Amino acid sequence: AQTVTQSQPEMSVQEAETVTLSCTYDTSESDYYLFWYKQPPSRQMILVIRQEAYKQQNATENRFSVNFQKAAKSFSLKISDSQLGDAAMYFCAYRGLIYSGAGSYQLTFGKGTKLSVIP
Amino acid sequence: ETGVTQTPRHLVMGMTNKKSLKCEQHLGHNAMYWYKQSAKKPLELMFVYSLEERVENNSVPSRFSPECPNSSHLFLHLHTLQPEDSALYLCASSQDGGTVYGYTFGSGTRLTVV
Repeated sequence: AQTVTQSQPEMSVQEAETVTLSCTYDTSESDYYLFWYKQPPSRQMILVIRQEAYKQQNATENRFSVNFQKAAKSFSLKISDSQLGDAAMYFCAYRGLIYSGAGSYQLTFGKGTKLSVIP
Repeated sequence: ETGVTQTPRHLVMGMTNKKSLKCEQHLGHNAMYWYKQSAKKPLELMFVYSLEERVENNSVPSRFSPECPNSSHLFLHLHTLQPEDSALYLCASSQDGGTVYGYTFGSGTRLTVV
C-alpha cells in the first residue's frame, strides 16, 4: 500500500520569504500523480499544484513550485514570497494507478503541515 | 464555493441518534468520495462511488452507510455512532479519477458525537 509522509507537523515563515514543505512517499508503481492541497480555516481543501511522475520537469504555479525527486520518492513544495493568505494546513497526496473499481482511484494523503505566516 | 456543497456544516448528535450527511456537486463529475479527517491523522478514505457504483472500504464500521442516488448526490447515513467518530467529514468529487484536476472538495461537516 502507498504511504505518504510529511515530517514537519508545523512550520512558520516570515512574510515575503520562501519556505519549503517536505513530503516523501512509498510506492512500487512507476507511474502516478502527486498533489499538494491547501486547507485554510474555511476547511475547504484547495488544489495547489500537481505533478505527473513520468514528467521530469518540476511543476510550477505562480509562487508555488515543487522539487520532484522520483528516485528519492520526494515531493517538496516551495512557496516563494509568502503571503498572509498562505497560512493553512498543507497536505501532500498520492494518486496511483491502482484501480479501485468502476474507474476510480484512491488518493492517499499525508498527515499535513500547518504553515504559519508571520507578518 | 468550489462546486461541492456539504450540509450541515456542523452536527452534534447523541450515540443513539440517526442522522445523515449530504453532499451535492453539479460539476458533471463521475466519481464522489467520503473522507474522514481526524486531528493529527491522514485523511482516511471511507467510500468511493464511481459511475454510481460503490467501491467499499472494508475497514469502515457498518454504523456508516453511504448512499448515492445519482451522480450529483451523495449521502452518509449515521447511526449508533461512538465518540471516536467525532471528526470532520469531507466529501469530494472528481472526473476521470482526478488525474488532471485532482479532486474537488467540499467544506466538510464537523461532527461531534456526545
